[in-house]
Amino acid sequence: QQQVKQSPQSLIVQKGGISIINCAYENTAFDYFPWYQQFPGKGPALLIAIRPDVSEKKEGRFTISFNKSAKQFSLHIMDSQPGDSATYFCAASKGNQAGTALIFGKGTTLSVSS
Amino acid sequence: DAGITQSPRHKVTETGTPVTLRCHQTENHRYMYWYRQDPGHGLRLIHYSYGVKDTDKGEVSDGYSVSRSKTEDFLLTLESATSSQTSVYFCAISERGNGYTFGSGTRLTVV
Repeated sequence: QQQVKQSPQSLIVQKGGISIINCAYENTAFDYFPWYQQFPGKGPALLIAIRPDVSEKKEGRFTISFNKSAKQFSLHIMDSQPGDSATYFCAASKGNQAGTALIFGKGTTLSVSS
Repeated sequence: DAGITQSPRHKVTETGTPVTLRCHQTENHRYMYWYRQDPGHGLRLIHYSYGVKDTDKGEVSDGYSVSRSKTEDFLLTLESATSSQTSVYFCAISERGNGYTFGSGTRLTVV
């Protein structure tokens, strides 16, 4: 049972375009939704995160949109650049409770063409 | 990454041999995690720890064991390595259960 479903698996975007990656979750107890960025040969790095008390969070060119009723959240990368080419993972967890851990989506490989 | 070190970075081992991967942190974080990353599967949780000697199983724990005898070290042991355990293994740390910091990974090949 996959608790966090991520799409698309891969994405090609022109430089300057908008990249959109979507995730859906099943467990309504999840209350923390981060996105991670991973470059080849490196570990994932936290990009941006949101909690369900807000519907949107923006940091620079990166925005998370959150729809609690639909149990979906998405990452939008505005003005996509070749340096954004990486693998992106969404994740979810039940917060600070002991005995919980992040559950990740399967990842999206983004290629930004120049 | 700063504050978290995985060793070795690369290892080739034979089927049936035991293998231990080490994760060392200097951040004094309470929580530590082991994930494996495979194409098409993303990151899957193997085991995690929420304190010294406090560990629990994750989604893909079969064939793996862990130990945490002190805050800074979290060891992952493959008791008898199999080809299906060929993967990239990542350790992560966090203080409050969120906002993970990942290590650089260990690429393990079982032949």
